[in-house]
Formats: sequence, C-alpha cells, structure tokens
Amino acid sequence: GDSVTQMEGPVTLSEEACLTINCTYTATGYPSLFWYVQYPGEGLQLLLKATKADDKGSNKGFEATYRKETTSFHLEKGSVQVSDSAVYFCALSDLNTGNQFYFGTGTSLTVIP
Amino acid sequence: DTGVSQDPRHKITKRGQNVTFRCDPISEHNRLYWYRQTLGQGPEFLTYFQNEAQLEKSRLLSDRFSAERPKGSFSTLEIQRTEQGDSAMYLCASSSGLVWAFFGQGTRLTVV
Repeated sequence: GDSVTQMEGPVTLSEEACLTINCTYTATGYPSLFWYVQYPGEGLQLLLKATKADDKGSNKGFEATYRKETTSFHLEKGSVQVSDSAVYFCALSDLNTGNQFYFGTGTSLTVIP
Repeated sequence: DTGVSQDPRHKITKRGQNVTFRCDPISEHNRLYWYRQTLGQGPEFLTYFQNEAQLEKSRLLSDRFSAERPKGSFSTLEIQRTEQGDSAMYLCASSSGLVWAFFGQGTRLTVV
C-alpha cells in the first residue's frame, strides 16, 4: 500500500545552517505530495505541496521537488531560523488508492541561536 | 472563516468513561477526516466523510469508536469505555478535494 518514509530525527542545527529532511514514498498511482509542520501543542499546518512529477513546492524559504524517478520529496532550506523549530511531516494523497492522506513519522528540528 | 475548529482542546477522563469530541470544518469543505496521533508518531487515519456519508473507516477504529457527521457540516467522534491506550491527540481535517487538507489544533485526550 501507499506509505511515506522520513529520515529519523531529532535534527539540531545552528541558526543559518542548511537543512535537508529526506522523504521517500511508495505509491501505486500518481500521488500528490506534501510537507506539513507542527509547532508544539498545535495541529498540522500545510507548508508546501506538489501535485505532479518535477513540480517544486516552496513556502517561507522551504523547498521540495517531486522526483518520480527516485520517489522522493526532500525538504530543504538554505538558512534556518530559530522560529523554524518544529516537527515536519511528509505526506501523500493518492486518488487511486483511497480517500486519505498518509503521513511519515515526523522529523523534529531544533534550531539553536 | 477561522479554519478547522476542534472542541475541547484537552480532555482528561477516567478509564471506562465515554468521551465525545467535536469538529467544525471549513464551511465549504465537503470532506472531513479524523486522525489520531500518538507521541512521536505521524497522524494515523481513522475515518473519512464526504458530506454526511462515512465512506471509509480504518481498522484502528474499533467498535468503541463511532463518528458522525449528521448534516454534512460538523462532526463528532465518540469513544466509549475509554482505555489508557486511547490517550492521544485526535485531529480533524477538512478539504474540498484530495489536493490538501486543513487541520484543526486537535483534542488531546488523557485517560487516567
């Protein structure tokens, strides 16, 4: 079935460092891919999305490119800030296999000044 | 519209009691989802409504769990005879398609 695998955390970076969080997926069809962010005690917020191969999603300095050949959707940011500290979830949805979103286990990011 | 609203934000209950959570989706969204999230894990799908019809249920949704969306607007999730293993964050989300979903802030349930 459909699934998402994320790199395990936690990840600790200094402010202004580069960030990459790896995400790979398994899907039988042509899924849409998402990154959600969760701040402490809060629900999930959509960070960015891509709906077809080679699409690049971007928001707030974060980017991810939908790579069908490697079934990946890695999250990147060139210069992280303390305010980026949160848990990041990779997710997919696939109309061909049902009516739900599949989430990875999340990667906790802490950015220190 | 302020987004997806969930009530209560926190609930502490004794084992064996029944609890009910409410979700108010974004008004024009016809799809509504319930997810459960335990500490250190990603959200796990529980059930899905399209308008008032419950179209999909996870195997995680035991007989003690029931969800309704009577008029295709708000939804309730009831857990009967709560167990300690039910302690989790219960998340509601809504969407107008499978493009992306908007999540509420969740209801954190603690069963003591």
